[in-house]
Amino acid sequence: DAGITQSPRHKVTETGTPVTLRCHQTENHRYMYWYRQDPGHGLRLIHYSYGVKDTDKGEVSDGYSVSRSKTEDFLLTLESATSSQTSVYFCAISESIDEQYFGPGTRLTVT
Amino acid sequence: DQQVKQNSPSLSVQEGRISILNCDYTNSMFDYFLWYKKYPAEGPTFLISISSIKDKNEDGRFTVFLNKSAKHLSLHIVPSQPGDSAVYFCAASVEGAQKLVFGQGTRLTINP
Repeated sequence: DAGITQSPRHKVTETGTPVTLRCHQTENHRYMYWYRQDPGHGLRLIHYSYGVKDTDKGEVSDGYSVSRSKTEDFLLTLESATSSQTSVYFCAISESIDEQYFGPGTRLTVT
Repeated sequence: DQQVKQNSPSLSVQEGRISILNCDYTNSMFDYFLWYKKYPAEGPTFLISISSIKDKNEDGRFTVFLNKSAKHLSLHIVPSQPGDSAVYFCAASVEGAQKLVFGQGTRLTINP
């Protein structure tokens, strides 16, 4: 299995609070991604990174920001969490399009 | 605008029979297609892929078929086993984009 971890694995937070999710890889892969999984929507791309300090928006980026200051870490920040951001968040890494490896996921609940 | 669609939220198949999961797409620029499998409380794992220059790719019990004119792909699992019970996502990409667009997923249940 690819060395990819996510922290925390579970989080409950209140509306309006900031939240940061961390993705850490030990594979030295160039590309890193953040997705959210919701019933009826499958996996939707939030943001992705193609190198240190190089990031771009995905299809559902509103309300989220990311940072990648090191190859191994990709942070997802919800500046002011809303109930609509309650979801399961997955990080993924890849070197080529057919080998995206996913982390175990973070279940976030915004009350 | 859902570019990749899996219109069957769930599918139930008897053990030993064939499972057929379907996926449709609307973007004609997609040229690479993948299937991922997901168990509860785990991240998705890559299963099989196909390039648009092919119409079939086989890997053991898993075969993916691509019909470009219909913008349709399917995943066949033969024979189906209880361990195949999972959610299956199809995904598509445009060459060079390094991004995947996923369908909504189909929950496959294999009954003994």
